[in-house]
Amino acid sequence: GQNIDQPTEMTATEGAIVQINCTYQTSGFNGLFWYQQHAGEAPTFLSYNVLDGLEEKGRFSSFLSRSKGYSYLLLKELQMKDSASYLCAVRDSNYQLIWGAGTKLIIKP
Amino acid sequence: EAEVAQSPRYKITEKSQAVAFWCDPISGHATLYWYRQILGQGPELLVQFQDESVVDDSQLPKDRFSAERLKGVDSTLKIQPAELGDSAMYLCASSSTGLSTDTQYFGPGTRLTVL
Repeated sequence: GQNIDQPTEMTATEGAIVQINCTYQTSGFNGLFWYQQHAGEAPTFLSYNVLDGLEEKGRFSSFLSRSKGYSYLLLKELQMKDSASYLCAVRDSNYQLIWGAGTKLIIKP
Repeated sequence: EAEVAQSPRYKITEKSQAVAFWCDPISGHATLYWYRQILGQGPELLVQFQDESVVDDSQLPKDRFSAERLKGVDSTLKIQPAELGDSAMYLCASSSTGLSTDTQYFGPGTRLTVL
């Protein structure tokens, strides 16, 4: 079966750095997405990785290792507004998105 | 900035009633998705359209759910009759082509509560 694993919840301090991990087992791989979802709102696109390595976009970076079936989202200089759920999704060989359950990130002052 | 529009934002209904949700994708986006998301879980794909054609509805409970995109632009998702277990967020998303490099952009969602 296809599976995406993420930690259920993480806590970090304002101004710090946090890394949210995602491991996946899917039938084929055609890219990995990270989305941010604030409570009661829709997911918003953060990043896309299809090749191994690090993609940096401002305070957010995303890393991919296809051989390990592993990705992480790195958030720097955490702000209170970063409190949200972070969803990892993998596009499989049928071009369908397989979604993780999301990681709820709690930022404390 | 172009956005996906959805209405209503919130819907409260009683079980056995019919409900309908509407979605207008980003202009020019050929691919439209309807998802259901239960609190604490990732989105679950219900149906995917490419223009006016259904590409994937394998997870759509067809005994009570229906979806259409008659002119290949906006779309309607209907539930009849609604059941208590249908309470969830219903999300619409669109993408340009549906290919591997495509990013899906989501609307604000419809929060459905079935009493």
